[in-house]
Amino acid sequence: QSVLTQPPSVSAAPGQKVTISCSGGTSNIGNNYISWYQQLPGTAPKLLIYDNNKRPSGIPDRFSGSKSGTSATLGITGLQTGDEADYYCGTWDSSLSSGVFGGGTKLTVL
Amino acid sequence: EVQLVESGGGLVQPGGSLRLSCAASGFTFSTYWMSWVRQAPGKGLEWVANIKEDGTKRYYVDSVKGRFSVSRDNAENSLYLQMNSLRVEDTAVYYCARLAARQALVYWGQGTLVTVSS
Repeated sequence: QSVLTQPPSVSAAPGQKVTISCSGGTSNIGNNYISWYQQLPGTAPKLLIYDNNKRPSGIPDRFSGSKSGTSATLGITGLQTGDEADYYCGTWDSSLSSGVFGGGTKLTVL
Repeated sequence: EVQLVESGGGLVQPGGSLRLSCAASGFTFSTYWMSWVRQAPGKGLEWVANIKEDGTKRYYVDSVKGRFSVSRDNAENSLYLQMNSLRVEDTAVYYCARLAARQALVYWGQGTLVTVSS
């Protein structure tokens, strides 16, 4: 059971928008910054969003992040078949003194 | 170009030991926190350990405390994970990653597979 809760799967059609939620508590999301990672099949994870809503160089602005209280959301607009991947939220947990991840969300672009 | 290359994975029996290495290049290794993250087959990501730039602070997930030890050699630009008393549930791909401020894992290696089985 992951410390952070994500939906197991989401789906949408090409060109549409999708959001992925990540729910936690005051010891993690509530008082720390959230990051989001994309893992394409058979590859290492890649950083998509850091500091709740910032994009590393090279990440298109179709990807966005937000945080409110103890929850965070990843948004993806203009969906492409190449966006099919597993998406993970991650942050620090001050009570556990450890990094924590969500269980991951599998995105299907129909 | 930042590169992280893990090595040392393989098949080990339950109760055995293994030492993973991560060779870093393309950045000033001694000025960054580093992490190990693992992923069991078909499962999600699990944070394993963090180590401070000078090695004076280390953090571990509860499931590996007392069995795993993270270390680094800044002169050799290398990160290590010593894994003892291995269990079947430690079977996973182990990634090393470079930490940025506020716990963002900015760069990842390609991973090395550890299989614990009799």
